[in-house]
Amino acid sequence: GNSVTQMEGPVTLSEEAFLTINCTYTATGYPSLFWYVQYPGEGLQLLLKATKADDKGSNKGFEATYRKETTSFHLEKGSVQVSDSAVYFCALSDRRAAGNKLTFGGGTRVLVKP
Amino acid sequence: ETGVTQTPRHLVMGMTNKKSLKCEQHLGHNAMYWYKQSAKKPLELMFVYSLEERVENNSVPSRFSPECPNSSHLFLHLHTLQPEDSALYLCASASGGESDTQYFGPGTRLTVL
Repeated sequence: GNSVTQMEGPVTLSEEAFLTINCTYTATGYPSLFWYVQYPGEGLQLLLKATKADDKGSNKGFEATYRKETTSFHLEKGSVQVSDSAVYFCALSDRRAAGNKLTFGGGTRVLVKP
Repeated sequence: ETGVTQTPRHLVMGMTNKKSLKCEQHLGHNAMYWYKQSAKKPLELMFVYSLEERVENNSVPSRFSPECPNSSHLFLHLHTLQPEDSALYLCASASGGESDTQYFGPGTRLTVL
């Protein structure tokens, strides 16, 4: 079956530091890959996505590249802000399944200190 | 983001109560989902509806009963819940077909006493 593994947090950084959150996946076929972000007290928001190998998703200074050879989709941001403190979820979509199910990783909590 | 709304945002109920969670999407999507998010556990997919038909039921106890009267609305009816059912319940929708991005509501924080 499909699975997503991401690094456990919490990850604590200082403002303007470089952020990397590792994500690897196991899937049959060619899934789409996503990063969602959850701010305190809120639901999940789509941060970025990539639908095929070598695609790069980007949004709000965050980037992730779909690496089929390493089955990875690591999230990076060059200079984090306090407002980036949140929980980040990596996910994949099995488009072959009815209703396009998402499989999520366990989430990585990021805390950015001023 | 107001594409997917959920009410109520917070709910406290006793184990003998009956309550319902409501989700509404304003995005013209064809698929809707219920997820459970508990502390220190991965997001759990509960139910999937595609074109108003249930296509997935992930071994969810019968005390949770979903209803999808039309493509814009999704309900989760709750009865005789247990304290371990306390969690954040998230609704999502997607357009279906080739576009597989799901858009989430803000969630309902449920506490079962």
